[in-house]
Amino acid sequence: DAGVIQSPRHEVTEMGQEVTLRCKPISGHDYLFWYRQTMMRGLELLIYFNNNVPIDDSGMPEDRFSAKMPNASFSTLKIQPSEPRDSAVYFCASSSLAEETQYFGPGTRLLVL
Amino acid sequence: DQQVKQNSPSLSVQEGRISILNCDYTNSMFDYFLWYKKYPAEGPTFLISISSIKDKNEDGRFTVFLNKSAKHLSLHIVPSQPGDSAVYFCAASSGAGSYQLTFGKGTKLSVIP
Repeated sequence: DAGVIQSPRHEVTEMGQEVTLRCKPISGHDYLFWYRQTMMRGLELLIYFNNNVPIDDSGMPEDRFSAKMPNASFSTLKIQPSEPRDSAVYFCASSSLAEETQYFGPGTRLLVL
Repeated sequence: DQQVKQNSPSLSVQEGRISILNCDYTNSMFDYFLWYKKYPAEGPTFLISISSIKDKNEDGRFTVFLNKSAKHLSLHIVPSQPGDSAVYFCAASSGAGSYQLTFGKGTKLSVIP
């Protein structure tokens, strides 16, 4: 298995632009998680899905952030409009009941100018 | 309010010696704890876990100790190797296994040859 796949790996955009981050979970995993890592706050959970349904989005910072999972093999995290304080590394992770851990993708490093 | 704390941002250890990474938590509902290792430009990878019904779990050179009364856990690496140089994250969850993980901010371990 290729593991969790994220794209793009790096994104540089200007304030006000829309940013879409993509994630393909490990096949067979029914849980998908989006995290954000910053120096100040560390690694924080934004939202997670079970069987494509959002279960807890309490970590989503504000309405500018939205996440979707249209099918079991794809999820997006969208920021519209983006702001400089959104600059961070965004990780996607997947898991299942049979696993003892979550498996992380390589992350997307986002820089908003 | 940080529920999982790693108070040492960095640690340097000589190759061959023991590395001890510490983690404290405040939420008494946490009952499952994990350690992840992260190399630059990669996502966190699972290292070892422990359930609250145990006080020790060992896997090769890695041992995790849990002191529930002190709400403290530690990761011991012995002997330390240069390839162990990475950022180590402590994570905790309650009730649902590895879901809804709360992470510490990480400790950067440098193993000096």
